[in-house]
Amino acid sequence: EVQLVETGGGLIQPGGSLRLSCAASGFTVSSNYMSWVRQAPGKGLEWVSVIYSGGSTYYADSVKGRFTISRDNSKNTLYLQMNSLRAEDTAVYYCASLLRGYAFDIWGQGTMVTVSS
Amino acid sequence: QSALTQPASVSGSPGQSITISCTGTSSDVGSYNLVSWYQQHPGKAPKLMIYEGSKRPSGVSNRFSGSKSGNTASLTISGLQAEDEADYYCCSYAGSSFWVFGGGTKLTVL
Repeated sequence: EVQLVETGGGLIQPGGSLRLSCAASGFTVSSNYMSWVRQAPGKGLEWVSVIYSGGSTYYADSVKGRFTISRDNSKNTLYLQMNSLRAEDTAVYYCASLLRGYAFDIWGQGTMVTVSS
Repeated sequence: QSALTQPASVSGSPGQSITISCTGTSSDVGSYNLVSWYQQHPGKAPKLMIYEGSKRPSGVSNRFSGSKSGNTASLTISGLQAEDEADYYCCSYAGSSFWVFGGGTKLTVL
């Protein structure tokens, strides 16, 4: 069964750092495009970042320079390193695969990140 | 990149059809046939319903269909059922490895 499971969310103070993990099963992370999408409480979906199978990475302007997407091929796991966190980064973070190329077809259950003092 | 524009809410009675619009620009919706639609029930992860404008993943009911005209994409749900009540989001590839979502539409089945 194709599945994504995120971990690593929690309460963090402004300016702090957090690393989210997304363990995949049923397919190979390194062979596919993978993304992070977030949803602030009561708000809509916002694309955050993508990593291509070749390793190229791209970010939304709102997180560029602060967030880093990466993967560990041996663990079949996707990561999102979040630095210099701000209150506006508070959201549920979903990892998603793009097995069909440009659509987010498999989603994890999400992990909540709360940035507050 | 600005968010795509969706109506905040739509409603319909069981058995009826509804259409949700998603308006972008010539840089995103108008340039690529890469619009996707997602259904999200409260407290749940989004679910892909339509990709590449009009294609349905296996397991998605054929009551869901997608189309595009110019800078506007549309999702039509026919034969409305109670379980269709959810939030719906459109998304478009916007070039240069960026994606943009719509603000979301709350569907109420009366």
